[in-house]
Amino acid sequence: NAGVMQNPRHLVRRRGQEARLRCSPMKGHSHVYWYRQLPEEGLKFMVYLQKENIIDESGMPKERFSAEFPKEGPSILRIQQVVRGDSAAYFCASSPAPGLETVFGQGTRLTVV
Amino acid sequence: RKEVEQDPGPFNVPEGATVAFNCTYSNSASQSFFWYRQDCRKEPKLLMSVYSSGNEDGRFTAQLNRASQYISLLIRDSKLSDSATYLCAVPTWGGATNKLIFGTGTLLAVQP
Repeated sequence: NAGVMQNPRHLVRRRGQEARLRCSPMKGHSHVYWYRQLPEEGLKFMVYLQKENIIDESGMPKERFSAEFPKEGPSILRIQQVVRGDSAAYFCASSPAPGLETVFGQGTRLTVV
Repeated sequence: RKEVEQDPGPFNVPEGATVAFNCTYSNSASQSFFWYRQDCRKEPKLLMSVYSSGNEDGRFTAQLNRASQYISLLIRDSKLSDSATYLCAVPTWGGATNKLIFGTGTLLAVQP
């Protein structure tokens, strides 16, 4: 069982570019979550998705950020026109059902230069 | 009041010591709770789940106090390898939401 797989592990983007972060949930898990961890801060919920549906995006910034979990393929967190403040660790997580134990991927560390 | 609050520490303890962290939560309807461990620049890893009054796993004991709305994590016989940040997480689910609310974490440094 490969666990939650995220790629890339490290991503460097210049200001104004787009960042695409990918996540494949753990086998048997249909609930996917994205969290962001800013330097010296805690984990903040961003979005909760199931296949082809965004269930809760209350933690997503209103502009430039979007997420999807298509029928086939990994979940994608997309950040358009990145700014320095987007530099953070982005963790994807999955669970088999609501309220059950959530497993995290190794994260993608985004650096905006 | 924050939804989930933790003392950020750091807690500096000698090897072999017993150390306890508390985590307070604001939602009295919460039914389950999780402790995660996060090493520097790594992902959070589930340490313990608490669904009723408490849970014990080896040197680790988690306890729940519903009346005062806090959970605690007790580590006995601390090891150097226990040095990490310990995150308390409270799930919120039902209806159109399902997410974990994390505390900011408590940093533990076990000294030789």
